[in-house]
Formats: sequence, structure tokens, C-alpha cells
Amino acid sequence: AQTVTQSQPEMSVQEAETVTLSCTYDTSESNYYLFWYKQPPSRQMILVIRQEAYKQQNATENRFSVNFQKAAKSFSLKISDSQLGDTAMYFCAFFISNFGNEKLTFGTGTRLTIIP
Amino acid sequence: DAGVIQSPRHEVTEMGQEVTLRCKPISGHNSLFWYRQTMMRGLELLIYFNNNVPIDDSGMPEDRFSAKMPNASFSTLKIQPSEPRDSAVYFCASSSARFLPYGYTFGSGTRLTVV
Repeated sequence: AQTVTQSQPEMSVQEAETVTLSCTYDTSESNYYLFWYKQPPSRQMILVIRQEAYKQQNATENRFSVNFQKAAKSFSLKISDSQLGDTAMYFCAFFISNFGNEKLTFGTGTRLTIIP
Repeated sequence: DAGVIQSPRHEVTEMGQEVTLRCKPISGHNSLFWYRQTMMRGLELLIYFNNNVPIDDSGMPEDRFSAKMPNASFSTLKIQPSEPRDSAVYFCASSSARFLPYGYTFGSGTRLTVV
């Protein structure tokens, strides 16, 4: 079974600063996908960024980037130039594509607060 | 594209009552997932369907929970009888099987309160 661990329940940072959220996972699979989802107070789950395990290059999406360390099974999210709208719960998630086991497994989340 | 539509947005019911949560996936998506979110357990997958067929219901907590997908555009999650510990936010998500590795699209969730 796959597990996803987010060891930081809460974090806060000043607006415009950079913040890194940690995520580790455990799997015996070699081909999988990793995601970061954002859940603002509106409750909507929003896909932030995605990484394919077979790609060594770290994914980036504007101010959001990841540090993917496959050997260490680590997948951290870096938010640069943080904005008030980044205040949300952030969930790390893991997906493998085996028929009958195609499910997204989530970590417990990190509550991020951006301070004005 | 209206996205994944869930109803109701909020539901308050008394213990012992039947509760039905509804989901309309994105047109063309053939995979549908029901998740439950609580403070204690985070996001848990309850059940998922592929082409209207339940593939994995191992996350359904007990027999009081049941889910159906009678057609490609509608799914229900029913709790009968409801208990206070069922209070949670229930999310529906959908995806095309070809695009599962690209992530799911979630609905806005139903907040269920059982008193």
C-alpha cells in the first residue's frame, strides 16, 4: 500500500517570502505520479502541480515548483513570492496507474497561512 | 464546462435518517470517485467507478454506506441510517480514464452534519 506523509501540520510566512512544504511517500512501484492540491477556505480542491516519476526534471507552474527526489521518496512544494491568495490547505497526493488500483492517495495536509 | 456538480452543498440531518448525496461528473469523464474528508482522517477514498461499474469499494466504512452510478452522468452516495460520526465533507471527483494520471477534477463537496 502507498502512504503519503506531510510532517508539517501548519506553516505561516510573510507575504512575498518563499515557503517550502514537505512531503514524503512510500511505494514499491517505479512508475507513479505525484500531485499537490490546494484547498482554500472555499473548500474547492484545486490541482496546483503534477510530477511524473519517470521524469527527472522538476515540474514548475509559475510561482510553484517542486523538488522531486525519487531515491529519497521526497516531493516538496516551493511557493515563491507568496501571496495572500495562497492561504489554504495543501495536500500532497500519490497516484499509480494499475487497473483496479487507480486511486489518488492523499497526505494529511499542511495548513499554510500567508501573513500580510 | 460546469465542472463536477455536487448537491446539496450543505446537509443537516438527525441521527437515524437517510441521507443521499448527489454528483454529476464532467461530461465525457468515465471515472468517478467519492472521498470523505474529516479532521481526524483527512481525505479518504470511499469508492470509485469506471464506466459506471464499481471498481474498488474497500474504503466504504460499513454497510450503512452505499453508492450507485446508474448512468454516466449521475452518482449517489447514500447513508442509512446516518450517525453523528458520519459528519464530514464528502467530495465527488471525476476524470477520463485516459487522463487519470493528470489528476482528478473535484466538486465543491457536501458538508454533512448529523445531529
